Amino acid sequence: KNEVEQSPQNLTAQEGEFITINCSYSVGISALHWLQQHPGGGIVSLFMLSSGKKKHGRLIATINIQEKHSSLHITASHPRDSAVYICAAYSGGGADGLTFGKGTHLIIQP
Amino acid sequence: DGGITQSPKYLFRKEGQNVTLSCEQNLNHDAMYWYRQDPGQGLRLIYYSQIVNDFQKGDIAEGYSVSREKKESFPLTVTSAQKNPTAFYLCASGVSNQPQHFGDGTRLSIL
Repeated sequence: KNEVEQSPQNLTAQEGEFITINCSYSVGISALHWLQQHPGGGIVSLFMLSSGKKKHGRLIATINIQEKHSSLHITASHPRDSAVYICAAYSGGGADGLTFGKGTHLIIQP
Repeated sequence: DGGITQSPKYLFRKEGQNVTLSCEQNLNHDAMYWYRQDPGQGLRLIYYSQIVNDFQKGDIAEGYSVSREKKESFPLTVTSAQKNPTAFYLCASGVSNQPQHFGDGTRLSIL
């Protein structure tokens, strides 16, 4: 079973700062997901990537397959970015091949 | 707008009682999933279904049951056999083995 570790667990930053959240996994994967969980609990899928880099607005996700590591970056952070960010690694073999990290709780202060 | 609707948002269960959590999607997705989230832990898969009238157990299926009679609906029943049901439950859907859309969740507590 894949082990997915996220760091940091908690992160507080000032508005405008560049944010980096890290995710490492133990077993080779075919896809990695980044999710955003709002304070009410609902989850939004941000990215699914298998190589390289993806960008959407102020969010950038990168993955290094050889090092089994992915990062989520937020540029020009804003208080509305405050949420829990979750990475999940898919190693194949059916729906139970998706392993979730415990999440990074991000707070952006004005 | 297409999406996933979970209801109710909050649910309370008495000892020995079965309760059913609703999940409906209008995204025309074949696959649907149920996850459980506990404080300080990652989401864990309870059940999933890739097609109508078929479903498979996930990592923590004991004490839960599901049905998939319609493509749009995938209700989860938390039975009295589930001894620690207090958690946040998330439903998701997708077109393959990986979820793409999630609902807003149901928080289940014990009275």
